Amino acid sequence: DAKTTQPPSMDCAEGRAANLPCNHSTISGNEYVYWYRQIHSQGPQYIIHGLKNNETNEMASLIITEDRKSSTLILPHATLRDTAVYYCIVRVSDSGGGADGLTFGKGTHLIIQP
Amino acid sequence: DVKVTQSSRYLVKRTGEKVFLECVQDMDHENMFWYRQDPGLGLRLIYFSYDVKMKEKGDIPEGYSVSREKKERFSLILESASTNQTSMYLCASSLWAPGTYEQYFGPGTRLTVT
Repeated sequence: DAKTTQPPSMDCAEGRAANLPCNHSTISGNEYVYWYRQIHSQGPQYIIHGLKNNETNEMASLIITEDRKSSTLILPHATLRDTAVYYCIVRVSDSGGGADGLTFGKGTHLIIQP
Repeated sequence: DVKVTQSSRYLVKRTGEKVFLECVQDMDHENMFWYRQDPGLGLRLIYFSYDVKMKEKGDIPEGYSVSREKKERFSLILESASTNQTSMYLCASSLWAPGTYEQYFGPGTRLTVT
C-alpha cells in the first residue's frame, strides 16, 4: 500500500470548513483513499473513501486531485465534536473481500476551537 | 446504523489469569477483527475472521487466541495474561466485499494487567 503523509496537527474555528490534506504521491491505479477518525477514548470511525472521483456523504466530502497524488477531506461545518485524530490511508482494491487489517499512520490531530 | 459492542469498557486482571473479550456486531458482517492500540505503536492487528469458525493470524497473534462460533460474535482470549498485554483492545467488523476496507469499530476495552 502506498505511503501517506499528513500534517501532525491543525486548528479550525467552530462553524468553519475544516480542510485536511493528505499526500499519497506513490498511489497506484487500483488503490483507494480511505479516511477514518478517532475521537479520544473511542474506537476509530469510518468517514469516507474514494478512487478517482470526488465523493460526498453525510459526514464529509473527499476531493482527490486529478493525478491522484493528494486528497483533501472536508468537514463543511466543523463542530467541537469533530475534534479528533484523522487518518488517511491507501488500500489496494483486491478480490480478498476486505478481510485484512487496517494500518494507521500518525494522522492529523484536528482541534476545533470555539 | 452498524453497531459493534464490546463486553467491557474497562477491565483489570491479574498476571496469569485467562481473559475473555467479547465482541458482537448486529449487521450480519462476514469479517471481524481484533486490534490492539498502544501509544506510539498505532493500531496493530491481532487476529481476523472472514467466516464462522475461520480465523487468520494478524501481525501480533502471540499470546492470543480467538473463537468465532457464531457469525455475529468474535471472542479474543488471552490464555495467560501478562503485563505487556495491558492495552486498548478494539473489535471491528466489515462486509465481505472485494476492495472494501470500510470497517466499523466498537468502543474499545481498556485492559490493565497487574
